[in-house]
Amino acid sequence: AQSVTQLGSHVSVSEGALVLLRCNYSSSVPPYLFWYVQYPNQGLQLLLKYTSAATLVKGINGFEAEFKKSETSFHLTKPSAHMSDAAEYFCAVRSGGQNFVFGPGTRLSVLP
Amino acid sequence: KAGVTQTPRYLIKTRGQQVTLSCSPISGHRSVSWYQQTPGQGLQFLFEYFSETQRNKGNFPGRFSGRQFSNSRSEMNVSTLELGDSALYLCASSFSGNSDSTDTQYFGPGTRLTVL
Repeated sequence: AQSVTQLGSHVSVSEGALVLLRCNYSSSVPPYLFWYVQYPNQGLQLLLKYTSAATLVKGINGFEAEFKKSETSFHLTKPSAHMSDAAEYFCAVRSGGQNFVFGPGTRLSVLP
Repeated sequence: KAGVTQTPRYLIKTRGQQVTLSCSPISGHRSVSWYQQTPGQGLQFLFEYFSETQRNKGNFPGRFSGRQFSNSRSEMNVSTLELGDSALYLCASSFSGNSDSTDTQYFGPGTRLTVL
């Protein structure tokens, strides 16, 4: 079985500060990992995905994530937060022929 | 290329009624998945269709059903609506539908269903 946990249902950062959103997964086989962002009243948009190539994955809008097998983690980072980054972020895992499993989400607030 | 479209965007129904939601995937995509999103339960997988066949199903009661047409468009139906069915229903499409692939799921804007 596969599962995803996201530490912190709500994270607040100041504009210009580092963004760190945590994701840990559980999977019995090598996983594919994804980060999605959801803006109010919209669907989910892919930020980036890990597919067993490079462990450091760069995505859109300046976000990146690093796959760490030993820590079963796939944390999302951005060096400098912008007001437009305020949204809900979802980590998802897919492995072993199973369907996508999404984490509970982390709401990011960016303070001026 | 047009994205995933869902209709209607908003819907209000009363308990006991039934509802049908529609999803048109990105052109060329053959896999369509449906999710229910609520504040309490988050994103929960309903079912996935590929080439008109249901490939996988989540843990939802039989009141929730779906189908896919030959043009890959999909519908989901909820019968005998309950208050707890109020949610954002999201549809996502992907290219190959191979569950071992790294295909990205592209999401539509969702249908907001309110059950009174």
